[in-house]
Amino acid sequence: SQKIEQNSEALNIQEGKTATLTCNYTNYSPAYLQWYRQDPGRGPVFLLLIRENEKEKRKERLKVTFDTTLKQSLFHITASQPADSATYLCALDDTGGFKTIFGAGTRLFVKA
Amino acid sequence: GAVVSQHPSWVICKSGTSVKIECRSLDFQATTMFWYRQFPKQSLMLMATSNEGSKATYEQGVEKDKFLINHASLTLSTLTVTSAHPEDSSFYICSAKQAGLANEQFFGPGTRLTVL
Repeated sequence: SQKIEQNSEALNIQEGKTATLTCNYTNYSPAYLQWYRQDPGRGPVFLLLIRENEKEKRKERLKVTFDTTLKQSLFHITASQPADSATYLCALDDTGGFKTIFGAGTRLFVKA
Repeated sequence: GAVVSQHPSWVICKSGTSVKIECRSLDFQATTMFWYRQFPKQSLMLMATSNEGSKATYEQGVEKDKFLINHASLTLSTLTVTSAHPEDSSFYICSAKQAGLANEQFFGPGTRLTVL
């Protein structure tokens, strides 16, 4: 069956450290993968998109990797801040990009 | 740019009544809009995809007669939950894709529906 798996356990890290979140997928062949941030009671906000032919993408303190062999994407936040505390969702395209399928998200807590 | 609004942000209704939720793209034309629902600590579940001027495409298991979607213009889509029941209580989120930017979705802030 098709699955997108993100660590359901919350990730707690200290301010200034690097947070690393994992997204694994099964039985998909996405052309690209996206990461979103969602705050409680709010809609998701787009962060980064990485295509299947890209190994790594960066945006300010964010870095995403995409390994199509392992069927895995890693999302890194360097020099983390308490304001980075949120739920982070990975999403991939399905049916040629007409639909986007979301993982359940990983909750990140950054302690001051 | 690329702002999507939803109205209302929250609504409480009695069982058996209908509720309409509006989704608007404020500063761009949305060729496609999507409706999701999200239960606490769960993933966004796609309910339907709507393209302006055509009938919505519903996901398997979503009752199209219960969740009526209208996409009358390039900036407005509405979701009507008909004869709402307590199990319809959820967080409903719309998103829109901008013409020319095929991959990125812009999400609305969501609507919290509580059916008593």
